[in-house]
Amino acid sequence: NAGVTQTPKFQVLKTGQSMTLQCAQDMNHEYMSWYRQDPGMGLRLIHYSVGAGITDQGEVPNGYNVSRSTTEDFPLRLLSAAPSQTSVYFCASSFVGGANYGYTFGSGTRLTVV
Amino acid sequence: GQQVMQIPQYQHVQEGEDFTTYCNSSTTLSNIQWYKQRPGGHPVFLIQLVKSGEVKKQKRLTFQFGEAKKNSSLHITATQTTDVGTYFCAGPGFGSSNTGKLIFGQGTTLQVKP
Repeated sequence: NAGVTQTPKFQVLKTGQSMTLQCAQDMNHEYMSWYRQDPGMGLRLIHYSVGAGITDQGEVPNGYNVSRSTTEDFPLRLLSAAPSQTSVYFCASSFVGGANYGYTFGSGTRLTVV
Repeated sequence: GQQVMQIPQYQHVQEGEDFTTYCNSSTTLSNIQWYKQRPGGHPVFLIQLVKSGEVKKQKRLTFQFGEAKKNSSLHITATQTTDVGTYFCAGPGFGSSNTGKLIFGQGTTLQVKP
């Protein structure tokens, strides 16, 4: 059971470049989310999905796009990278509801925009 | 919008001392989750609280959910060096009763001196 797999683990982009951060889970989780983590800011929700074909904005969606064509995959696209998007990005997934369920996080993608 | 605030931001303790982090929401929460992130790692789910006034224990960790379901706390008894990390609380986004849209607090970073 691989859990939540994020690729790449590290990436350096030039300002204005675009790229896609990949996220895949093999646990048949309905919920999937993307967070960014910056020092002192905690985890901020970028976009989330409650099922295939359904996505919605989180707290900091500007500059990012997502789609959820399958249950397993939830890619995050940076349209035109900016230095302010330098961060650690985490993808996470979860079952719907249940008192004992929480999000399972991937190991993260460390992105630097120069 | 909804805010989940955590205090303190940092805490340094001597090994063996107790530690408490507090989480406060601007709105009533249907449930609250707690996560731990080790340095350089990803967040790991610890527990979910659902009921008003609920108290749950995991070995030396005690989790409480306030009577009004707007605050929560995590208490660690007799800290050990393995407790080092950042502890996050998280709750459903405003207007949501499910955890598909999970909003995190800023976290409390615990350092333990051996």
